[in-house]
Amino acid sequence: GAGVSQSPSNKVTEKGKDVELRCDPISGHTALYWYRQSLGQGLEFLIYFQGNSAPDKSGLPSDRFSAERTGGSVSTLTIQRTQQEDSAVYLCASSRLRGLSYNEQFFGPGTRLTVL
Amino acid sequence: SQKIEQNSEALNIQEGKTATLTCNYTNYSPAYLQWYRQDPGRGPVFLLLIRENEKEKRKERLKVTFDTTLKQSLFHITASQPADSATYLCALDVGGNQFYFGTGTSLTVIP
Repeated sequence: GAGVSQSPSNKVTEKGKDVELRCDPISGHTALYWYRQSLGQGLEFLIYFQGNSAPDKSGLPSDRFSAERTGGSVSTLTIQRTQQEDSAVYLCASSRLRGLSYNEQFFGPGTRLTVL
Repeated sequence: SQKIEQNSEALNIQEGKTATLTCNYTNYSPAYLQWYRQDPGRGPVFLLLIRENEKEKRKERLKVTFDTTLKQSLFHITASQPADSATYLCALDVGGNQFYFGTGTSLTVIP
C-alpha cells in the first residue's frame, strides 16, 4: 500500500508570503505528526493529531503556524507571513493508534521549504 | 526542558566492525525509546523500539539496550556494511502526545 505522501516536495517562496503544506497519511492511521528539520538539526516536534483533534499546539513555533486535519485523514500545515528562519524540511508522520506502547511512526519524504 | 544527546556528530568505522551509537537523555522517564534511520533527502525509517522494562532488544544485526538508571540507550550494528551508512536518530515518547528526537549520529562504514 501507499506510504505517507507530502506535497509539494519543494517550495520556494518569498518572505512574507503564506504557504500551505499537505500531508496524506497512511490509510487507517489515526495519529498524525508534523516535524521540522533544519539543516544539521534534529527533528523538532510541531504538532500532533489524534483523529481531527490536536490536543496540544504548544510545539508550534509561533502564531504564524497553524495546522488542521479533516476527515481523520489529510492534514495541512500553514505558515503565514513566512520568514527566512522558516526555511527547513517539514516532515509528516502517521501511526496506527496513539496510546499503545507500540507507536511506530511512518514518515513521508518531507517538503523542503526555502524562504528567500 | 527535555534534552536528548547523541554521540559525536559523525562516526566512521571499518566494514565488518561493530558500530555503537549512544543516546542520552535528561529530565524525563520515557516508557519506551525508538531508533530510526534517516538517509539523505528522505524521512526517517523506524528500526527498533525498546520498552523501559526491557534491557535489550535484537533484530538481525541490530541490538539496542536501555538503561533507565543511566538514562541511556546504546544502539549496536554488528558486522557493519557500507549500506548501513546513514544518520541514526533516537526518539523518546515524552507523553502529552509529543516525541522528542535526538540530533542524530551520522555513520559511515568504510569498505
